[in-house]
Amino acid sequence: QVQLVQSGAEVKKPGASVRVSCKASGYTFTGYYIHWVRQAPGQGLEWMGWISPNTGGTNYAQKFQGRVTMTSDMSISTAYMELSRLRSDDTAVYYCARDPSDTGVYGFDYWGQGTLVTVSS
Amino acid sequence: DIQMTQSPSTLSASVGDRVTITCRASQSIGSWLAWYQQKPGKAPKFLIHKASILETGVPSRFSGSGSGTEFTLTISSLQPDDFATYYCQQYNTWTFGQGTKVEIK
Repeated sequence: QVQLVQSGAEVKKPGASVRVSCKASGYTFTGYYIHWVRQAPGQGLEWMGWISPNTGGTNYAQKFQGRVTMTSDMSISTAYMELSRLRSDDTAVYYCARDPSDTGVYGFDYWGQGTLVTVSS
Repeated sequence: DIQMTQSPSTLSASVGDRVTITCRASQSIGSWLAWYQQKPGKAPKFLIHKASILETGVPSRFSGSGSGTEFTLTISSLQPDDFATYYCQQYNTWTFGQGTKVEIK
């Protein structure tokens, strides 16, 4: 069965960086884009960007350009999202999600369990 | 950027009620719209894509309609498991609506 398993919660100081991992199983990792979405406490969903594990190509939301880097490692079927120069308003749950659009399904069909990143001095 | 606006923000309803949530796009997005359900502390669940196509396993009481700039999600007979927050998402640049919380009346 398809699973996306994310790394554990992180606590970071303002100005630091955080890297969240998303390990995929149960499907061909290179066949589907991975998106990253975050959700601040009590707030809605915010799309951050995507990576193609097949090509390494990325597309970031303008809001995060220059601060986010998405990478992947095909050998271990894992995608990563690194966010730098953290601020208190980056405190959120970060999700990875699979995009099956190459199959004709347009949306995010499987999600990781979420990783809470807390930014606090 | 394409903005997505949902209404209402909160909806109070009873089991058995017919519920409709509206999602409006700031410009035409064709049928490139998805709907998700999210419960507290959980990841979103994919319900509908291309505005009206139910994902496998989603109960038939859920339906979606619309195209262009106006879309609706309808739950024909609200069940206890349906109390949650619902999000629309446009699939051109992947932005989400702000969410609609369906709560018990």
